[in-house]
Amino acid sequence: DQQVKQNSPSLSVQEGRISILNCDYTNSMFDYFLWYKKYPAEGPTFLISISSIKDKNEDGRFTVFLNKSAKHLSLHIVPSQPGDSAVYFCAASRLGGATNKLIFGTGTLLAVQP
Amino acid sequence: EAGVTQFPSHSVIEKGQTVTLRCDPISGHDNLYWYRRVMGKEIKFLLHFVKESKQDESGMPNNRFLAERTGGTYSTLKVQPAELEDSGVYFCASSQVILGIQYFGAGTRLSVL
Repeated sequence: DQQVKQNSPSLSVQEGRISILNCDYTNSMFDYFLWYKKYPAEGPTFLISISSIKDKNEDGRFTVFLNKSAKHLSLHIVPSQPGDSAVYFCAASRLGGATNKLIFGTGTLLAVQP
Repeated sequence: EAGVTQFPSHSVIEKGQTVTLRCDPISGHDNLYWYRRVMGKEIKFLLHFVKESKQDESGMPNNRFLAERTGGTYSTLKVQPAELEDSGVYFCASSQVILGIQYFGAGTRLSVL
């Protein structure tokens, strides 16, 4: 069973507009969430993270929102740029364990149209 | 500073053969992780080393997979014998501390024919 879900395989947005990528999780033990960006033939690159004690974290054009009661998080990119076109992976982990393995979603392909 | 390095970048082998993937983590990173992405699905955790010790190998699919990290530096992941379902992209990641950000390599694309 998939514990982290990204239900939108793809998203197309116009340059300058807002991109909203969504992620749902099922395991209430997750307390740390991350977004990674991946270009073709490259490895995932860390983008932004949020701890479960917060409901929002902002870094430049990127903001992550966490709704613990709904077990939902979203990544907002404003304004979107053509260079943002990539696959975005949502990931979750449990900080209290002996390991920090990441549980990933299946990814959302974002295409920002010029 | 060099990032996480993986090689080969691509390996094509026949079913039943053996393949060894290598990962060089960022210098000074004690934590090393292996992940795998199969057929465009989610990236799945395989195992976690802390220095040379296996901290968590709960994601290893079966005993055809053997990971080592002798000396706590680079790591190898051997698949023997390879099966068709082993095809995918194998990623390595490293972090300085267990709770630190994981930095990923570019991956090794394994094709088993």
